[in-house]
Amino acid sequence: QSVLTQPPSVSAAPGQKVTISCSGSSSNIGSNSVSWYQQLPGTAPKVLIYENNNRPSGIPDRFSGSKSGSSATLGITELQTGDEADYYCGTWDNSLSAGVFGGGTKLTVL
Amino acid sequence: QVQLQESGPGLVKPSGTLSLTCAVSGGSISSNYWWSWVRQPPGKGLEWVGQMYHTGITNFNPSLKSRVTISIDTSTNHFSLRLTSVTAADTAVYYCARAYGYSFQHWGQGTLVTVSS
Repeated sequence: QSVLTQPPSVSAAPGQKVTISCSGSSSNIGSNSVSWYQQLPGTAPKVLIYENNNRPSGIPDRFSGSKSGSSATLGITELQTGDEADYYCGTWDNSLSAGVFGGGTKLTVL
Repeated sequence: QVQLQESGPGLVKPSGTLSLTCAVSGGSISSNYWWSWVRQPPGKGLEWVGQMYHTGITNFNPSLKSRVTISIDTSTNHFSLRLTSVTAADTAVYYCARAYGYSFQHWGQGTLVTVSS
């Protein structure tokens, strides 16, 4: 059971928008910034969003992040088949003194 | 651009010790980042293992803390993971990563370690 809760799967059609939620608590998301990672099949994770809503260079602005209270959301617009991947949220948990991840969400672009 | 590369045995016997090394290139391991290990059992999600700062500060996953050691070698720009008393539950792809704040910004390609006799 992951400390952060994500939906196991989401799906949408090409060109549409999708959001992925990440729910935590006051000891993790409520106190610290959130990152989002994309893991394409057979590859290492790649950071999409850091510090809640910042994109590293090279990440298109179709990807966005937000945080409110103890929850965070990843948004992806103009969906492409190449966006099919597993997406993970992550942050630090002050109570555990440990890094924590969500269980991951599999995005299917129909 | 910083690059990380894991290396180590792909097969470890039950009750043995898993040892992996991460070679860092394109940046100094003495810079202000957390040098981290994350693992992923086959078909499952990411699990944070632990991290070390170049000053020697460490943090570990509470569920692994009694079995994990992370060390840094500034002379070779490597850092290492040691996990003792392994079982089949430790079978996973192990990633080394560089973290800034709470974000893993650079990852190695990962190496599969199987625990089996």
